Amino acid sequence: EVQLLESGGGLVQPGGSLRLSCAASGFTFSNYALSWVRQPPGKGLEWVSAISGSGGGVYYADSVKGRFTISRDNSKNTLYLQMNSLRAGDTAVYYCAKAWEFPDYWGQGTLVTVSS
Amino acid sequence: EIVLTQSPGTLSLSPGERATLSCRASQSVSSSYLAWYQQKPGQAPRLLIYGASSRATGIPDRFSGSGSGTDFTLTISRLDPEDFAVYYCQQYGSSPYTFGPGTKVDIK
Repeated sequence: EVQLLESGGGLVQPGGSLRLSCAASGFTFSNYALSWVRQPPGKGLEWVSAISGSGGGVYYADSVKGRFTISRDNSKNTLYLQMNSLRAGDTAVYYCAKAWEFPDYWGQGTLVTVSS
Repeated sequence: EIVLTQSPGTLSLSPGERATLSCRASQSVSSSYLAWYQQKPGQAPRLLIYGASSRATGIPDRFSGSGSGTDFTLTISRLDPEDFAVYYCQQYGSSPYTFGPGTKVDIK
């Protein structure tokens, strides 16, 4: 059974940093691209970042480019999202998702709140 | 960037009725690279349809997708009580991949 478990969310002040993790199981981790998709409270979905199975290919939404860094450790079956220079507009539930184009499995999400 | 518009914003129907949800793109979606997701309160999105008309694994056949170019439709043939949720379309034919704002299907 595919499982994706996010962690690392919480309350952070504007300008601060946070690192999200996503532990995966139930599939051959290195064979699949992975994505981060976020959802502000009560709003719709936004693609944030994606990374290829090898880690050699990455994608960032313009809204986070230069501030967020996606990475993965295929030896630990774990996906990461390093978030720097956080803004109020980054407040959202962050979902880890399996695949790039149309994710077929999603984690339950971790809430990031940026507020003073 | 391809902008997706979904209509209606809210659809109020009774169990057993047919639901027709629309997704319109600001420009043609290449190769019908369009997906549909269902999301219930407090839950993650669930993939229903990809490639405009292919059902994802385990999705009941009452869900069907159609369309091409700029106009796409998700049809739920007979609403089950568990189908009342928000539905999002998403295009993956052109970077950046984008989602529509969603259609809420609620109980009439």
